[in-house]
This record gives sequence, structure tokens and C-alpha cells, in this order.
Amino acid sequence: NAGVMQNPRHLVRRRGQEARLRCSPMKGHSHVYWYRQLPEEGLKFMVYLQKENIIDESGMPKERFSAEFPKEGPSILRIQQVVRGDSAAYFCASSPTDYGNTIYFGEGSWLTVV
Amino acid sequence: QKEVEQDPGPLSVPEGAIVSLNCTYSNSAFQYFMWYRQYSRKGPELLMYTYSSGNKEDGRFTAQVDKSSKYISLFIRDSQPSDSATYLCAIPNAGKSTFGDGTTLTVKP
Repeated sequence: NAGVMQNPRHLVRRRGQEARLRCSPMKGHSHVYWYRQLPEEGLKFMVYLQKENIIDESGMPKERFSAEFPKEGPSILRIQQVVRGDSAAYFCASSPTDYGNTIYFGEGSWLTVV
Repeated sequence: QKEVEQDPGPLSVPEGAIVSLNCTYSNSAFQYFMWYRQYSRKGPELLMYTYSSGNKEDGRFTAQVDKSSKYISLFIRDSQPSDSATYLCAIPNAGKSTFGDGTTLTVKP
């Protein structure tokens, strides 16, 4: 399966812990996007990355959230000191081209903060 | 004003009905218009997209864009229970896609 792979699919964290979500793009894709879907809300853009570069992080909360896409390995979305409001589905997408219009999503990582 | 607004639904139709899903957008410079389908607890799946104005057909699905009124539609003909899902319109812009809040469709057998 050459689709976008995300793990873990489900993650439970206590308040104050760290959450790390991983995303491997589709084969041949070097552009990765992270979106968040809060309960009963739509998908919201968080960040757009290329290998070793953050292109657009205008949707990232200013504190506690960070993202990277290293030269080797998956993209990581890191949430430090999680709070209940971080409970959401986090989706990764990838595209083969710069500023991709057509992006392909993974199955998501569901974070629950207790 | 939101960049993309989507008719909220939910919609419930009998099998075989024609379904119309609609969005409006605010920026006349947008050129690409996307439709995604999302099943419960799954990732969004790209259904189809159009560039600029006009219609695009793919099987039972037709995407339509009216740039003069900034209105985009997705029509589903001969709807099936397997079409039951949330449908999301989206507009990409420089790597960032803005999504409507989604319309949940239920097709009853």
C-alpha cells in the first residue's frame, strides 16, 4: 500500500504529557501537510513542510506545537504538555508537487487527552 | 466572512435520489475547487476537482463551478447507501487548503 501512513492511529495521553504523531508520505511525494479536525468542526490547516523545511506554519498554535520533516524518516507533529482541548483527529496529507492542489490524506491519528 | 462556507445538512435521502451538495467561497481569485468524501473515523478521500468554471463528470458524480456567483456544487446521481458519508468542499491556495465544515449525507435503502 503506497498511501499516506500515519501512526499511531489512536493515542491517549494524560494532561501535561507529550504526544508525537508520525506521517510517512506517499511514495514519490516530498510535500507534507498536517490538518486538525476538532470534534464537530471542519478540517483546519496547521503546517506545510518539505524535506528539512517548514514552508507555511500559519495554522500552528503558537505554543506547544511543532512539526518537522527530516531528510530521512517520517514527518513528526509534536504536541507538548497536552491539554484536553488538543483532543482531535490529526490528519497528514502529501502531494508530489510544490504547493500541491491535489493532496492525499492518511487515515488520521486520534488523540484523546484525559 | 469565512473563505469557504458549506451548506451544513445533514441530508437524508432515499436510495436512487439525486443529491446536491453546495458551497460558496469569498475570493474570486481561487481557481481549483475540490471535493472530498470522508467516512466516519477515516481520512478524507479526494473525489474530484475542477479548475476554473464549468462542469466535470465522473460516473455518478458531477462537480460544477459557477465563478460569477462563487458557488460550487457536487451532484450525485442514483445515490447508493455506500455514498453515506460526510462530503467536504475545499479550495487550495499556495499549499494551504481551506475546507468547508462538511455535509453529512445518509442514503437510506
